[in-house]
Amino acid sequence: DAGVTQSPTHLIKTRGQQVTLRCSPKSGHDTVSWYQQALGQGPQFIFQYYEEEERQRGNFPDRFSGHQFPNYSSELNVNALLLGDSALYLCASSWGRDHTQYFGPGTRLTVL
Amino acid sequence: SQQGEEDPQALSIQEGENATMNCSYKTSINNLQWYRQNSGRGLVHLILIRSNEREKHSGRLRVTLDTSKKSSSLLITASRAADTASYFCATDAITGGYNKLIFGAGTRLAVHP
Repeated sequence: DAGVTQSPTHLIKTRGQQVTLRCSPKSGHDTVSWYQQALGQGPQFIFQYYEEEERQRGNFPDRFSGHQFPNYSSELNVNALLLGDSALYLCASSWGRDHTQYFGPGTRLTVL
Repeated sequence: SQQGEEDPQALSIQEGENATMNCSYKTSINNLQWYRQNSGRGLVHLILIRSNEREKHSGRLRVTLDTSKKSSSLLITASRAADTASYFCATDAITGGYNKLIFGAGTRLAVHP
């Protein structure tokens, strides 16, 4: 049974560019959450998708957007990249009202 | 802003010793979870304790929760070098039943052979 997968593993972009990160949830899970983790910090909640709609959102600007597909996979898009967007981006999946979230290995984004 | 605060920020012990990490939070919660992270990669779920529970065990892990003090502790007994990692507590705040996790900054544990 595959766990949560994310692609790519690493990504280097320059300021002003746009980036798309991808996540496939654990089999049987219908909810995907995205987190940003800066170096030395804990993960911060970006948003959560359920039934292809954004259900909750954290304190992130509109430059951060997402999408969930009918197969429950998800994308995170970040426009007009800033140096401060450099971080590990984590995707987590869960099922229904089960509160346990299962995390993927993350995508390391570096903005130069 | 992050709700949880772990204490200590860093902990260094010898193999076989016990490691205790504490977490404090600010608002009412549905449950509290502990996660482990190795070398800045994905988080591994360790244990979940609900707001109506006071103590929970899983293998060498023991978690306590004191909702009156808004605090939790994670005890790892008989530590091993493989336990070296960062440990995070995450609260699942009461937000209409949706499981948005709010993490602390973590405790970095180093277990020396």
